[in-house]
Amino acid sequence: AQKITQTQPGMFVQEKEAVTLDCTYDTSDPSYGLFWYKQPSSGEMIFLIYQGSYDQQNATEGRYSLNFQKARKSANLVISASQLGDSAMYFCAMREGSGSRLTFGEGTQLTVNP
Amino acid sequence: DSGVTQTPKHLITATGQRVTLRCSPRSGDLSVYWYQQSLDQGLQFLIQYYNGEERAKGNILERFSAQQFPDLHSELNLSSLELGDSALYFCASRPGTDNSPLHFGNGTRLTVT
Repeated sequence: AQKITQTQPGMFVQEKEAVTLDCTYDTSDPSYGLFWYKQPSSGEMIFLIYQGSYDQQNATEGRYSLNFQKARKSANLVISASQLGDSAMYFCAMREGSGSRLTFGEGTQLTVNP
Repeated sequence: DSGVTQTPKHLITATGQRVTLRCSPRSGDLSVYWYQQSLDQGLQFLIQYYNGEERAKGNILERFSAQQFPDLHSELNLSSLELGDSALYFCASRPGTDNSPLHFGNGTRLTVT
């Protein structure tokens, strides 16, 4: 079974609007961490935001926030006030238990239209 | 800039050849990870080192090997290359604390012809 599922291969949003990128995960470990990364067309992987399984509050980092719904095992990334520079591939990833490797989803290609 | 340096940026080689990819982690980071990103397989974890020792192995082929040196830089060796090994190879590092994210280098684009 897939540990990280990103069901939206591609998403489109108008500049200045908000967009939500979906991520669901599968783990039986009570301790885990969820991460979002951005990969522009230039190829580098940029860390955006982190949510721990025991964190009570949803994580926020500037225009990025994570809508963490533990019971539903979802960790959706919300980007507010989209900018043209937000056009990129976005990956959700998970770290389980005491392990340190990250398991990545297949990614969502976001296109911001002017 | 993540602080993780990978060289070379691009590598073009022929089938059957051997190449070495190099990674310098962020200053102070003890853990180094190697990932392979290809169109059909996505981002796949290959191997992790912590302070010179192998810590975890993922989907790494027997033709591939890695090591981490005393100065903490790491090398990924790919041998008997096949067309299917063409991919973007990332190195990432982190200090080793539980909540810290992986910081990725810019990757080495390997093309096998």
